[in-house]
Amino acid sequence: QKEVEQDPGPLSVPEGAIVSLNCTYSNSAFQYFMWYRQYSRKGPELLMYTYSSGNKEDGRFTAQVDKSSKYISLFIRDSQPSDSATYLCAMSPSGGSYIPTFGRGTSLIVHP
Amino acid sequence: DTAVSQTPKYLVTQMGNDKSIKCEQNLGHDTMYWYKQDSKKFLKIMFSYNNKELIINETVPNRFSPKSPDKAHLNLHINSLELGDSAVYFCASSQDHPSGANNSPLHFGNGTRLTVT
Repeated sequence: QKEVEQDPGPLSVPEGAIVSLNCTYSNSAFQYFMWYRQYSRKGPELLMYTYSSGNKEDGRFTAQVDKSSKYISLFIRDSQPSDSATYLCAMSPSGGSYIPTFGRGTSLIVHP
Repeated sequence: DTAVSQTPKYLVTQMGNDKSIKCEQNLGHDTMYWYKQDSKKFLKIMFSYNNKELIINETVPNRFSPKSPDKAHLNLHINSLELGDSAVYFCASSQDHPSGANNSPLHFGNGTRLTVT
């Protein structure tokens, strides 16, 4: 079992839909949780960054962390075709090395 | 004005050749990294340098040799290329040392797509 599991998709939704992207993990030492967005032929860019449990909202994006279930989510409201990309979750422990462990990414397609 | 830039974007070469990829960051960050993204999209760290000093060296064949002439540059040289080296190689940087007090996020370049035939 990999440390971070993420369904590769693709996930195809119509424009305007609410999208839910998820990751599960096994390492209880993870405290920092990140979502990166990667457009085709581009490098990943940081989208959301949270510490420990709880929710964080930024515009149409909400990141949610449930440490008791070792489960994190990214919600996208009012999805747009420009949101079509691969979304990678990443997480790292507190203290020691912050080098993140990445999920394999979920490919999202938002069609008009 | 690209923050982390890599050259070349594409590299097609034959088995057995030696090739280099260059990376430069203009963010003033202290730490730079090389990641490999395979065909299944897994991103795996290969190396990390902090202020020109090697701090992370994952289980990577010694055909791969990073070099950091200064903290804004991190190059990757690969000897005797093999078919399995085909992947996208990403350079990244972060403000702080990955074992420091702050967990500063990674800034990635746009990747070098290496194809070995």
